Amino acid sequence: ETGVTQSPTHLIKTRGQQVTLRCSSQSGHNTVSWYQQALGQGPQFIFQYYREEENGRGNFPPRFSGLQFPNYSSELNVNALELDDSALYLCASSLRGARNTEAFFGQGTRLTVV
Amino acid sequence: AQRVTQPEKLLSVFKGAPVELKCNYSYSGSPELFWYVQYSRQRLQLLLRHISRESIKGFTADLNKGETSFHLKKPFAQEEDSAMYYCALSPTGGGNKLTFGTGTQLKVEL
Repeated sequence: ETGVTQSPTHLIKTRGQQVTLRCSSQSGHNTVSWYQQALGQGPQFIFQYYREEENGRGNFPPRFSGLQFPNYSSELNVNALELDDSALYLCASSLRGARNTEAFFGQGTRLTVV
Repeated sequence: AQRVTQPEKLLSVFKGAPVELKCNYSYSGSPELFWYVQYSRQRLQLLLRHISRESIKGFTADLNKGETSFHLKKPFAQEEDSAMYYCALSPTGGGNKLTFGTGTQLKVEL
């Protein structure tokens, strides 16, 4: 069984640029959620994807967007980067429709905006 | 709006002492409550959830709807319990759209 993997592990971008983060879900999982974790804070829900469509969104502006592919992997795109976007971005996969389904997290991508 | 509050950033106890990590929540409805743990250099992982009513690694958590609390307890702390603990909630049937607290760092001293 393959776990959740994220790439890259670290990234440095300049304010105003765009970034794409990637996530491969755990084998057999059909749902991917993205979280932003600022330093000293808990993870904050950005959005969730199920069957290639957005299935719920947290309090994040439209410049945060995503995709889910037929193999259930996912991308998080952030446009017009701001300094406050510097954070650890976590991806979690789960199996929607299963009883007592559990979210499995990736190791995260550390984004630094300078 | 839903919110999870963990009042302690750091909790330091001696090995063998009881542990209680506090969690309070606000949610208009019946949420699902979870405790997640992150050991040093490891990824975030589920420790336990209220609907399972399990004891995992000696930890238990009881949902108190009257006090809107979901405190995590263990009668005797072990050194390997040192980690960051996050309380989280999801709407019932919410498909793991989790709202996390700010976390409590548990340090078990010898």
